[in-house]
Amino acid sequence: KAGVTQTPRYLIKTRGQQVTLSCSPISGHRSVSWYQQTPGQGLQFLFEYFSETQRNKGNFPGRFSGRQFSNSRSEMNVSTLELGDSALYLCASSPGHGDFNSPLHFGNGTRLTVT
Amino acid sequence: QKEVEQNSGPLSVPEGAIASLNCTYSDRGSQSFFWYRQYSGKSPELIMSIYSNGDKEDGRFTAQLNKASQYVSLLIRDSQPSDSATYLCAVKGTASKLTFGTGTRLQVTL
Repeated sequence: KAGVTQTPRYLIKTRGQQVTLSCSPISGHRSVSWYQQTPGQGLQFLFEYFSETQRNKGNFPGRFSGRQFSNSRSEMNVSTLELGDSALYLCASSPGHGDFNSPLHFGNGTRLTVT
Repeated sequence: QKEVEQNSGPLSVPEGAIASLNCTYSDRGSQSFFWYRQYSGKSPELIMSIYSNGDKEDGRFTAQLNKASQYVSLLIRDSQPSDSATYLCAVKGTASKLTFGTGTRLQVTL
């Protein structure tokens, strides 16, 4: 079974630009979660989508948004990029339905650098 | 108070020794607990999950959970240099999102 796939692996953007990251979950998984990882803050929860609806949201500004498509693939968008947005963005999937005990399975991440 | 707390380390143990990693959490309603291992430059990978009080063993790894004390630990027996990584404690609380600690860096020395 293929794992979680994230594209692109690396991105370099300049301040003020916007960026879109993509995530394809494990086949059959309907929940997709996004995390931001930085050396100082660790893994910070951005949001979770299930069946095309945002089910949970972290404490990030409105510049961070996401969506999920009917095939469970998800995208996240960051607008008006700031230097502090430089981070590893991780996508993770889980079955999503009645899965309180299910762990998350992570993709390889997208490394975003804002200059 | 952070939702999930871990000592950042580094925790240094000699090869063959037992490494003990600890984690505390604040949400008393939390039901699911996970340990992830993350090598430098890689994404987190699941190594253990635990849901009930007590111990759960899987090979060289033992997870321990004490809900009354809001405490989770991971023991690694016969530590190997390949175990050198950052270990992340993750807790699924009443809001059903998975919250991570900042991780403990483990160094296994020869």
